Amino acid sequence: DTAVSQTPKYLVTQMGNDKSIKCEQNLGHDTMYWYKQDSKKFLKIMFSYNNKELIINETVPNRFSPKSPDKAHLNLHINSLELGDSAVYFCASSWRVTGELFFGEGSRLTVL
Amino acid sequence: DAKTTQPTSMDCAEGRAANLPCNHSTISGNEYVYWYRQIHSQGPQYIIHGLKNNETNEMASLIITEDRKSSTLILPHATLRDTAVYYCIVRVGNFGNEKLTFGTGTRLTIIP
Repeated sequence: DTAVSQTPKYLVTQMGNDKSIKCEQNLGHDTMYWYKQDSKKFLKIMFSYNNKELIINETVPNRFSPKSPDKAHLNLHINSLELGDSAVYFCASSWRVTGELFFGEGSRLTVL
Repeated sequence: DAKTTQPTSMDCAEGRAANLPCNHSTISGNEYVYWYRQIHSQGPQYIIHGLKNNETNEMASLIITEDRKSSTLILPHATLRDTAVYYCIVRVGNFGNEKLTFGTGTRLTIIP
């Protein structure tokens, strides 16, 4: 069983489109995250949710809207995709009081 | 700001101990040091963390200097599968708003 799973793994789309990436964790953790890794391999936190409540929002454009329907899911919806949104997006989960994050395998988004 | 400084790259012979240094001279008294690694384009993997005492687990050992301004991750018997980018991270923030900020890391190559 995959602990943190993301879908889709690959996503190719045109500029201006809207797309979503889904994430699920079966570890029972109370906190989930989205990280973005760009072409230069910098890994930056975008959002974190604790028990469905947003606790970190790292100055991400409001075209990005995370949604957490329950503790085990954190989805990322992106409106009006731009070329600069091309990256690998990683979902992660943890217990809030620890920094031991479990990452998914990533979703590679390519905007043409 | 990653708050850590690591060498860009290192080589280590297979079977030998790999010692990865990290400087975190501005670390605060309640900030932890975490180590993660990323193998190729997979999701980052947690290795170990510590506050001020040395720590050891099944993967590695973490040695933190007494002044806490630097640390060393030790992989005791490196294998080819340990080839990865290793990130040293200082966990910043107040309880409930912690985040891990990844820097550029050290690319460790294990030589057969």
